[in-house]
Amino acid sequence: SQQGEEDPQALSIQEGENATMNCSYKTSINNLQWYRQNSGRGLVHLILIRSNEREKHSGRLRVTLDTSKKSSSLLITASRAADTASYFCATDAKPTDKLIFGTGTRLQVFP
Amino acid sequence: NAGVTQTPKFRVLKTGQSMTLLCAQDMNHEYMYWYRQDPGMGLRLIHYSVGEGTTAKGEVPDGYNVSRLKKQNFLLGLESAAPSQTSVYFCASSYLPAGYGNTIYFGEGSWLTVV
Repeated sequence: SQQGEEDPQALSIQEGENATMNCSYKTSINNLQWYRQNSGRGLVHLILIRSNEREKHSGRLRVTLDTSKKSSSLLITASRAADTASYFCATDAKPTDKLIFGTGTRLQVFP
Repeated sequence: NAGVTQTPKFRVLKTGQSMTLLCAQDMNHEYMYWYRQDPGMGLRLIHYSVGEGTTAKGEVPDGYNVSRLKKQNFLLGLESAAPSQTSVYFCASSYLPAGYGNTIYFGEGSWLTVV
């Protein structure tokens, strides 16, 4: 069964707007990662947040983690058409030698 | 700068045929993974390996076999393909266990259609 579930499944915005996508998971974790997938390509790592962190930034990306609610959010500020992709959260699972991915959010940014 | 390379990229199989997907990584990674990606299902782990000569089952291992005879290669086999195995297959690798907050690196995917 999936550990993570992203919400919304799809999101369409205009360039310059902010995009927020959420991830909920089921069991306790040590880390949560976000990955990006361009159409027809493999996944690329974006950012990692550890369970003892509440917020992390990387460029235009801001990730929050609420372990009490078992949820995370990814905010992309000032979006660009090139941000059009699917975004996945991934959590560790016991035993922690592998990642379990969520179902993804498809983001479309219109010029 | 090859990273993780998958072959073939596209393949059409008839039901009951067998085939092998090859994954090769040139980063000296210990850990390798095979995922399948289906619409609305995200990525699901099929099998993984924690080092040369080892394999372990993931979430959806039925109908697949794997081998890790060499550290740099991880093979995924379908002995008797079924239409339910139509999917996009991704190989990935990592130097340390992915679950300990380590990044994993993905190949570009292999599109498999079983008719």
